[in-house]
Amino acid sequence: GQQVMQIPQYQHVQEGEDFTTYCNSSTTLSNIQWYKQRPGGHPVFLIQLVKSGEVKKQKRLTFQFGEAKKNSSLHITATQTTDVGTYFCAENQGGSEKLVFGKGMKLTVNP
Amino acid sequence: DGGITQSPKYLFRKEGQNVTLSCEQNLNHDAMYWYRQDPGQGLRLIYYSQIVNDFQKGDIAEGYSVSREKKESFPLTVTSAQKNPTAFYLCASSADGGNQPQHFGDGTRLSIL
Repeated sequence: GQQVMQIPQYQHVQEGEDFTTYCNSSTTLSNIQWYKQRPGGHPVFLIQLVKSGEVKKQKRLTFQFGEAKKNSSLHITATQTTDVGTYFCAENQGGSEKLVFGKGMKLTVNP
Repeated sequence: DGGITQSPKYLFRKEGQNVTLSCEQNLNHDAMYWYRQDPGQGLRLIYYSQIVNDFQKGDIAEGYSVSREKKESFPLTVTSAQKNPTAFYLCASSADGGNQPQHFGDGTRLSIL
């Protein structure tokens, strides 16, 4: 089935740095969702992108959906220790009733 | 306060034993899901249900069974046929599936004795 590939799989940054993580697909996506899972916790929904080229912001987090709807990015500005966790992108296969999750990008922050 | 409740938080299984993980939601959501999470892996779908008395296999259903007798409840049984059950199990629900956001419970961590 369709898969979304997340890169990088691990990211270690210094507090205050910016970074970007990506979610890529070989086929056109109907929509993309992003989730965050803190260490020892459960995934929490962050955002959904539906339209081509869509950009949404949540404080220091900026989410973008590619023009071709085959990729998405998450950019974090001025990383803080509270940003630590694993970020997942997910898409529902061609509008089906189930989500397919990427393997996640684990973020660690050096204070 | 609406949400999803999973119990127990930790569970230990003996060889040859079936164990059942509980998942209850009071969000009035139609769709419910069970995922398995292993270290370094994403979330893999075990079973899902769009409506009461109906459910479908996910990508890794072998060795698991579910029921959906009530809208609020979607228990998962890990049977003795599941030879590698040690994992973190997450239950989720969404309003009507598909492109709706999923809400997750706190998870159950299952280990083999």
